Amino acid sequence: NAGVMQNPRHLVRRRGQEARLRCSPMKGHSHVYWYRQLPEEGLKFMVYLQKENIIDESGMPKERFSAEFPKEGPSILRIQQVVRGDSAAYFCASSPQGQSNTGELFFGEGSRLTVL
Amino acid sequence: SQELEQSPQSLIVQEGKNLTINCTSSKTLYGLYWYKQKYGEGLIFLMMLQKGGEEKSHEKITAKLDEKKQQSSLHITASQPSHAGIYLCGSHWQLTFGSGTQLTVLP
Repeated sequence: NAGVMQNPRHLVRRRGQEARLRCSPMKGHSHVYWYRQLPEEGLKFMVYLQKENIIDESGMPKERFSAEFPKEGPSILRIQQVVRGDSAAYFCASSPQGQSNTGELFFGEGSRLTVL
Repeated sequence: SQELEQSPQSLIVQEGKNLTINCTSSKTLYGLYWYKQKYGEGLIFLMMLQKGGEEKSHEKITAKLDEKKQQSSLHITASQPSHAGIYLCGSHWQLTFGSGTQLTVLP
């Protein structure tokens, strides 16, 4: 299966713990996007990364959230000191080219974070 | 920032009926994407529209972008239960998405 792989699919954390969500893009894709989908709400852009670079993080909360896409390995979205409001589905998408691309994004099936 | 507003928020139709979902942008669209999401799953790409007045079809789904490029519609003909899901429109570069339209098709 060469699709976008996200793990874990489900993650439960207690308030104050850290959550790490991983995303392996499709083979040959060097651009990764993270989105958050809150219950009953639409998809909100968080961050756009290329290998080893953050291109656009305008949708990232200023505190507790960080993202990286190292040269080797998956992209990671890290949420420190989680709060109940962080409970959401986090989707990763990838594309072979960046924002100049007019093609589709390929989405993973999401990671559902529940904060107790 | 650009905002996309979708209507209706939810739609319940009888199998075989036609339906339309609308997506309105606060700014000129330089590209408009339609995706479908099934509950608990990721998004599946349906279509992309770029030019004013453009219309594309795939099976029983047709999407149009108006001449002013600020509104798009998604039309499903003779709906089937397999069409059920959440339909989302997204702007060019897909940094902005509408809040989605939940479609239920009753058999």
